[in-house]
Amino acid sequence: DSGVTQTPKHLITATGQRVTLRCSPRSGDLSVYWYQQSLDQGLQFLIQYYNGEERAKGNILERFSAQQFPDLHSELNLSSLELGDSALYFCASSVDIGGTAREAFFGQGTRLTVV
Amino acid sequence: AQSVTQLGSHVSVSEGALVLLRCNYSSSVPPYLFWYVQYPNQGLQLLLKYTSAATLVKGINGFEAEFKKSETSFHLTKPSAHMSDAAEYFCAVRDTDKLIFGTGTRLQVFP
Repeated sequence: DSGVTQTPKHLITATGQRVTLRCSPRSGDLSVYWYQQSLDQGLQFLIQYYNGEERAKGNILERFSAQQFPDLHSELNLSSLELGDSALYFCASSVDIGGTAREAFFGQGTRLTVV
Repeated sequence: AQSVTQLGSHVSVSEGALVLLRCNYSSSVPPYLFWYVQYPNQGLQLLLKYTSAATLVKGINGFEAEFKKSETSFHLTKPSAHMSDAAEYFCAVRDTDKLIFGTGTRLQVFP
């Protein structure tokens, strides 16, 4: 158990809908990362938050947004969903920000299926 | 930007054989490198990490990796494969505020 909790584990929704994925980082970790894993794109970095502030943005679509709350949990919001958004979404956390050797700890992921 | 390249999307070995999974990095500064493993329907678990303290890094489950600056490589090895090693393995590099992952190598172990 990595200590990173993601809910829900599975989500099935229709095209055009909006969903929210939730992540609770390990106790004491200030950084939260979101990744998307799909068969054709591999593991893609979406966005990172550190202590409530956005720190880095990757290949995140404009239809997607995220935030980190004062209690450090994070939510990834996906809207106007398309079939191609079906993927495994991972949250990871680490104790600090970049420039260090600190690893990130991953949650079990949320499998999103858009039908 | 830093990146990693994993050679071979699939590797098959017999149980008891040597496991070698290849990773090459591209970095303008001394990199922080990682190997993660993903078992079916699970998240990624850290196997080991390179922090410049030692070029040979030992990880969990008998895996180790050697950092070779001259070859810009960080290959993952295990002397004797076990059936339970069947999984997908990802090499990653720290790039400022995030981890950048390779495309992964799926390891199959045959009895």
